[in-house]
Amino acid sequence: AAGVIQSPRHLIKEKRETATLKCYPIPRHDTVYWYQQGPGQDPQFLISFYEKMQSDKGSIPDRFSAQQFSDYHSELNMSSLELGDSALYFCASSLGLPGSGNTIYFGEGSWLTVV
Amino acid sequence: SQKIEQNSEALNIQEGKTATLTCNYTNYSPAYLQWYRQDPGRGPVFLLLIRENEKEKRKERLKVTFDTTLKQSLFHITASQPADSATYLCALDATSGTYKYIFGTGTRLKVLA
Repeated sequence: AAGVIQSPRHLIKEKRETATLKCYPIPRHDTVYWYQQGPGQDPQFLISFYEKMQSDKGSIPDRFSAQQFSDYHSELNMSSLELGDSALYFCASSLGLPGSGNTIYFGEGSWLTVV
Repeated sequence: SQKIEQNSEALNIQEGKTATLTCNYTNYSPAYLQWYRQDPGRGPVFLLLIRENEKEKRKERLKVTFDTTLKQSLFHITASQPADSATYLCALDATSGTYKYIFGTGTRLKVLA
């Protein structure tokens, strides 16, 4: 079965540079979530989209932005990168409205290293 | 403040025993609670979901309980195997109807052969 696809899997950027992560949800899934996981940390919710509209926002820095496109894929744009942005970034997707017990499926993550 | 706490220390158990992991939350009123398994460097993998009106849910060797009065969920793995060694995360919806799922701190389980 198709899973959540993230790209790139690994990315190295210098401080103050910009990075873009892409996420392709499971076909027919209408909700996308982005999480950031630092070493030894639990996944921190950044932002989510439902039907191409932002639905919830978590601890996403102002330097980051995201959107969901008409084909439901999503991109996370990170600017003015800082060393502390180095982490594993997960995208996840689900189907259906909240309250329906929708399972969230995660991608394998994109490793971002800021040097 | 809102928080979700899991066993802070790693849990080591002998193969064949039952592992019990705890998830406690404060200042949330989740409609659902989910359990995930995460291996190092990999994405979390969904295991079980339990609704607020359910007391218990089972799937093969896994069992989850949900006590909304105690604000606690217990996750049990019976007849544990070394392959069950991983970090286990609980997650809940921050408020009913939200798209914001919050994860607990995770418990690292090691099953010893």
